[in-house]
Amino acid sequence: ETGVTQTPRHLVMGMTNKKSLKCEQHLGHNAMYWYKQSAKKPLELMFVYNFKEQTENNSVPSRFSPECPNSSHLFLHLHTLQPEDSALYLCASSQDRASGRVGRTQYFGPGTRLTVL
Amino acid sequence: QKEVEQNSGPLSVPEGAIASLNCTYSDRGSQSFFWYRQYSGKSPELIMSIYSNGDKEDGRFTAQLNKASQYVSLLIRDSQPSDSATYLCAALNRDDKIIFGKGTRLHILP
Repeated sequence: ETGVTQTPRHLVMGMTNKKSLKCEQHLGHNAMYWYKQSAKKPLELMFVYNFKEQTENNSVPSRFSPECPNSSHLFLHLHTLQPEDSALYLCASSQDRASGRVGRTQYFGPGTRLTVL
Repeated sequence: QKEVEQNSGPLSVPEGAIASLNCTYSDRGSQSFFWYRQYSGKSPELIMSIYSNGDKEDGRFTAQLNKASQYVSLLIRDSQPSDSATYLCAALNRDDKIIFGKGTRLHILP
């Protein structure tokens, strides 16, 4: 778990609040990801950043806004969320596939358990 | 939609027996495959990765890949109660995207 850290670990917020999730990776990776994990659903990829550039946005509502100031830090800004957004939000990092065949092995942080009231 | 399919379980296995977890994938162009273990309330933890047809062993774990059948499996020998968790299969497809299955819940019976 120490390779990828996430804060806070638990968050309860109202629908009108604004909050941010933070992720930091200490593995020297150049790609970072946000996933959402809801009960009885597979991991849902939300955003991908590669070398600080957003390379993927999987039709995520605009109430979720990512920010990647550098290759070690990733934020997810939350605004006007809905109760159905309650889930475990996972950050992951990986080394770009250009490093060789062993690519895209993702290492996950501990997650933030989000509850929207 | 390129998918990764797993039986959701629960799969119940007696302690000391071999647990066999299976996964199929639809994108024939997938090259890399991963098994993650996820304990309840925790994040996924990488157990094994496999890229070539055949078996890959690491301690009590063996990953098996058959690209012709588009099938990946994970065997856990000498199952322990601490192996009880959800096991996620993932494939890196031809679009360079990792697709996760829904996971199989494994329960080791003491």
